[in-house]
Amino acid sequence: DIQMTQSPSTLSASVGDRVTISCRASQTTTGWLAWYQQKPGRAPKLLIYKASTLQSGVPSRFSGSGSGTEFTLSISSLQPDDFATYYCQHETTFGQGTRVEIK
Amino acid sequence: QVQLVESGGGVVQPGRSLRLSCAASGFTFSNYGIHWVRQAPGKGLEWVAVIWSDGTNKYYAKSVRGRFTISRDNSRSTVYLEMNNLSAEDTAVFYCATGHRDYIWGSFDYWGQGTLVTVSS
Repeated sequence: DIQMTQSPSTLSASVGDRVTISCRASQTTTGWLAWYQQKPGRAPKLLIYKASTLQSGVPSRFSGSGSGTEFTLSISSLQPDDFATYYCQHETTFGQGTRVEIK
Repeated sequence: QVQLVESGGGVVQPGRSLRLSCAASGFTFSNYGIHWVRQAPGKGLEWVAVIWSDGTNKYYAKSVRGRFTISRDNSRSTVYLEMNNLSAEDTAVFYCATGHRDYIWGSFDYWGQGTLVTVSS
């Protein structure tokens, strides 16, 4: 089974920072890689699909890149609303999550 | 707007059964596959099951295969998850979510608010 490994597990950052989260697959993927944001007590929200396509309504400060086994979620200028946990997903497998916390 | 509403969660004893429902509105339900994803307290996301738009194909995670059954009623725009022989390891918030329109496994586009299942004696 494919494994999805995110790094870091926790990230401390300040408002305005550029943030990057990595997701590595244990084997080459089809390119269908999605990113989600989840806040405590809330359902996950789709941010990006197909590695780099922004879901409708998601702010443009979010972007995704990558292919094969290496993928990245970037937030160009961190906003107060962005402090949350982020998950990558390929088919039935999720990464373990990256918590973005206030520095 | 797209809306998914889960129901049926609660406290259940080990070994017992529970049926969850996911009622959909705001989109053409019969055109979309539907997934169930769960999240144990304080843990990450775990995919559970999927059903094709017409109900012809169903797939399950190894952890629930043989115990859980997914089904749907397109006339009611509702998906169900029948869960049997529950154990403490099944304690989680269960979410239903729509599969991507182009590739059912590609992403989980819209999610319900979740329903909590607690397995405890």
